[in-house]
Amino acid sequence: AAGVIQSPRHLIKEKRETATLKCYPIPRHDTVYWYQQGPGQDPQFLISFYEKMQSDKGSIPDRFSAQQFSDYHSELNMSSLELGDSALYFCASSHTGTGLDEQFFGPGTRLTVL
Amino acid sequence: GDSVTQMEGPVTLSEEAFLTINCTYTATGYPSLFWYVQYPGEGLQLLLKATKADDKGSNKGFEATYRKETTSFHLEKGSVQVSDSAVYFCALSTSNYGQNFVFGPGTRLSVLP
Repeated sequence: AAGVIQSPRHLIKEKRETATLKCYPIPRHDTVYWYQQGPGQDPQFLISFYEKMQSDKGSIPDRFSAQQFSDYHSELNMSSLELGDSALYFCASSHTGTGLDEQFFGPGTRLTVL
Repeated sequence: GDSVTQMEGPVTLSEEAFLTINCTYTATGYPSLFWYVQYPGEGLQLLLKATKADDKGSNKGFEATYRKETTSFHLEKGSVQVSDSAVYFCALSTSNYGQNFVFGPGTRLSVLP
């Protein structure tokens, strides 16, 4: 079965650079979530989109922005990168329209900021 | 706000030992409860879930029962294997409309041969 796809899987950037992470949800899933997992920590919710509209916002820094496109894929844009942004970024998707709240996670993008 | 508490890790067990990882939650609504597992270097995988009180989720020998009276969702397995070594996250979701999950801090399990 198709899973959530994230690209790239690994990304190395320097301080003050920008990064764009992409997420392709499971087909027919209408909701996308972004999480940040620091080393040895639990995933922290950043932001979510339902039917291309922002549905919830968590601890996302102002330097980050995200959107969901007409084909339901989502991109997380990160600017002015800081060392503390080094983390594993997960995307998850769900088919919220049917009332199911199970989220399916992608493999994550490991971002390293030097 | 909503929160999830898990037992502190790491937990180290011998193969075939009995496993319990405690999880309790605080939620304003009526949550669905989940256990996710994260193997080294990989993403989160759903292990099991329960959506209402007294439901029992089970998968791969793991079980957890939704206990509303004690607000708990403890994970158990009768006989662990080396391949079960991973980090286990308890999580809740209180809405089915684009709402985020709240994760516990995770419990690292190491199973020794």
